[in-house]
Amino acid sequence: GAVVSQHPSWVICKSGTSVKIECRSLDFQATTMFWYRQFPKQSLMLMATSNEGSKATYEQGVEKDKFLINHASLTLSTLTVTSAHPEDSSFYICSARPNSGTGGTYGYTFGSGTRLTVV
Amino acid sequence: EDQVTQSPEALRLQEGESSSLNCSYTVSGLRGLFWYRQDPGKGPEFLFTLYSAGEEKEKERLKATLTKKESFLHITAPKPEDSATYLCAVQADDYKLSFGAGTTVTVRA
Repeated sequence: GAVVSQHPSWVICKSGTSVKIECRSLDFQATTMFWYRQFPKQSLMLMATSNEGSKATYEQGVEKDKFLINHASLTLSTLTVTSAHPEDSSFYICSARPNSGTGGTYGYTFGSGTRLTVV
Repeated sequence: EDQVTQSPEALRLQEGESSSLNCSYTVSGLRGLFWYRQDPGKGPEFLFTLYSAGEEKEKERLKATLTKKESFLHITAPKPEDSATYLCAVQADDYKLSFGAGTTVTVRA
């Protein structure tokens, strides 16, 4: 149990275009999901906390107009990188916190990540 | 501000050579300490959650322990398939996870 599906696993886009990444909890509900960014050989840096039915909370230094987050249901959060530039190239990972029951058993479950390359 | 420091940065082991990874933390109001395994190009895979000092958890060749200031991940008789980056994270009151930089373990056959 406690599976998070993230799509796409990789994407290449042209500079100036937008890219949407989906994060879906398959067998549990998650009011709260998190979006991270990871640079090569570095740890995960939290970008924002996504809350179902309300606005996302962004970490200091993260541009909310560039990284749009929508958490429209208890099983789906999306991250849209708008007007992408080469410096936005990175590995983006989502995680979900189960609403109840499985939290202690499975911790926070992570998606498999999305490798974004902006050319 | 929550701080998580992992050591060593990298660890090279011979198959069967047991060792330990360290995670030192500073957090106000620890709700949980998490260990994850991450393979290259993949998302972190959950291993353990520890909640209070003195707690221990085991899974196959891995054993995690927790004190008030640090956690250890012991790898007993590792195999090449245990090669990965092991991440430690702490959760405080706001439900966010703060991650350490990780320890990259390489096990040679």
